[in-house]
Amino acid sequence: EPEVTQTPSHQVTQMGQEVILRCVPISNHLYFYWYRQILGQKVEFLVSFYNNEISEKSEIFDDQFSVERPDGSNFTLKIRSTKLEDSAMYFCASSRIGNQPQHFGDGTRLSIL
Amino acid sequence: KNQVEQSPQSLIILEGKNCTLQCNYTVSPFSNLRWYKQDTGRGPVSLTIMTFSENTKSNGRYTATLDADTKQSSLHITASQLSDSASYICVVSARRGRGSTLGRLYFGRGTQLTVWP
Repeated sequence: EPEVTQTPSHQVTQMGQEVILRCVPISNHLYFYWYRQILGQKVEFLVSFYNNEISEKSEIFDDQFSVERPDGSNFTLKIRSTKLEDSAMYFCASSRIGNQPQHFGDGTRLSIL
Repeated sequence: KNQVEQSPQSLIILEGKNCTLQCNYTVSPFSNLRWYKQDTGRGPVSLTIMTFSENTKSNGRYTATLDADTKQSSLHITASQLSDSASYICVVSARRGRGSTLGRLYFGRGTQLTVWP
């Protein structure tokens, strides 16, 4: 069964540095999402992306965050100047249609030192 | 405020027993409700998705119910197995606009289920 793949599985970065998290959604999916889960807390919506533009974003998704689909297969989340509180598990998800179940990757654990 | 509350926070049952997990939500306007299973260190995996008009939906040993009037849902697991040990997350989608198929998801904190042999 097709899977959403995320790389790297664990990223350690110094505070203030830029980080790019990468995702390869399922090939025939049209909607893409990023979520984060701080340790011990609930999963939080960051952003949804459709037709090469952001469809919706949460209050968490401020100017330090950006998303891009640089080619036909990758979907990236960039955090420009990381802060300690950005440490979390970041999940990418995709769906064929907007109201269908989303398929999640296994996440990238981001640790900010 | 759009919120999803789940209970219990954690649950321990013996293998072979049944259990029911609860979810209450205040998300509006409602689009659909999903139950996900999240194994430790893995991403969530969809179990069921129900729209406003659906009261019950089954997926193998998992049966979800939805009461859209009281804004409550439950997930019943029958004949539990050791592999059922995971976090079960209730997720409610808010309808974005008339005719829109894209909704923002609101997650509960999950119920941590442990199945003992």
